[in-house]
Amino acid sequence: EVQLVESGGGLIQPGGSLRLSCAGSGFIVSRNYMSWVRQAPGKGLEWVSLLYNDGTTYYADSVKGRFTISRDNSENTLYLQMNSLRPEDTAVYYCARDVSGSAIDYWGQGTLVTVSS
Amino acid sequence: QPVLTQSPSASASLGASVKVTCTLSSGHSTYAIAWHQQQPEKGPRYLMTLYSDGSHSRGDGLPDRFSGSSSGAERYLTISSLQSEDEADYYCQTWDTGIRVFGGGTKLTVL
Repeated sequence: EVQLVESGGGLIQPGGSLRLSCAGSGFIVSRNYMSWVRQAPGKGLEWVSLLYNDGTTYYADSVKGRFTISRDNSENTLYLQMNSLRPEDTAVYYCARDVSGSAIDYWGQGTLVTVSS
Repeated sequence: QPVLTQSPSASASLGASVKVTCTLSSGHSTYAIAWHQQQPEKGPRYLMTLYSDGSHSRGDGLPDRFSGSSSGAERYLTISSLQSEDEADYYCQTWDTGIRVFGGGTKLTVL
């Protein structure tokens, strides 16, 4: 059974850093395209970042230069390093798996990041 | 890049059917999309992938009450025999090289 479990969220001050983790089970993270998607309170889903199985990375303009997506193959885990955090980054962050580079077919349960002083 | 447009809300009575619409932007009418359901206070759940010819592949355990269809740039999610647990937000999603795109979501109310 495919499962994605996020962790690492919390309350952080503006300008601070946080690293989110997403542990995969039932499949191999490195063989799939993986995304981070966020949802601000009361808002819709917003794609944040994408990691191809060949290691190529992509970012939404809103986080480019501040966030870094990566993975640890030995841990079967996806990461999102978030630096220079802003109040508008406050959201539930979900990791998600692509079906062979197309539709997202599995989601994690999400982890809440709150950026506030 | 593609843009997806959804009506903010829809409603239908318990036991009835409802069709939720997602419209692809100009120049992207052949794109496939995915439908995702988000029940209150829960994470999203993948429902199906829907192609421009109307064919679709369903997510694990998805009831037959959920079906998809296409017409031009429109992609539809039809839910029949509505149940109370179908009350949720429904998002369409598409993709291109290096990007994933979501529609604004449709809040479905079951009356």
